[in-house]
Amino acid sequence: GESVGLHLPTLSVQEGDNSIINCAYSNSASDYFIWYKQESGKGPQFIIDIRSNMDKRQGQRVTVLLNKTVKHLSLQIAATQPGDSAVYFCAENNKGGTSYGKLTFGQGTILTVHP
Amino acid sequence: DTGVSQDPRHKITKRGQNVTFRCDPISEHNRLYWYRQTLGQGPEFLTYFQNEAQLEKSRLLSDRFSAERPKGSFSTLEIQRTEQGDSAMYLCASSLGWTSYEQYFGPGTRLTVT
Repeated sequence: GESVGLHLPTLSVQEGDNSIINCAYSNSASDYFIWYKQESGKGPQFIIDIRSNMDKRQGQRVTVLLNKTVKHLSLQIAATQPGDSAVYFCAENNKGGTSYGKLTFGQGTILTVHP
Repeated sequence: DTGVSQDPRHKITKRGQNVTFRCDPISEHNRLYWYRQTLGQGPEFLTYFQNEAQLEKSRLLSDRFSAERPKGSFSTLEIQRTEQGDSAMYLCASSLGWTSYEQYFGPGTRLTVT
């Protein structure tokens, strides 16, 4: 079936470095993608989203890049801080019908930021 | 705090017992979703409501699971005759619906079936 997956399950960086978390998706019909951050014992927290008619979107310290040709999504975090340490999930929306708004999540990448 | 609340936060139950979880979405959100998350995995979709109508159910939602949203506000998820495999985090999310895909998640209910 269709799935969203991550290349790297873990990522360790030094405080102040830039982080890049990658995600591959397989459903070419997906029209919306979200990155979530999840800290231990908490629900996923929305970070940034992007629609399929865009290639790049920037937020505060975060940028999401979408490459539809190779079905790849990435999250860039600038000047990573210890508070950014968490599990990061990409998720896609399955387009059309009654699945409108249903998200399919990838496995997650653990980001550890060392002071 | 996203504004989505869930109760209880933790539930320990014995196999075979019934459990019920509650989700209160952000008040103006007309869509409400239930997901299940096991350790090390991303959330998996279970079901969702548009107002009080349950529009889709995942194949993960066996006959022992039932969800309701009677007045289009809060929702309940009931699991009957719990099994150890039901142990997971049950997450609720809400969104505005047609105008926004953006889903805001609650803190989850951690279920442990012994």
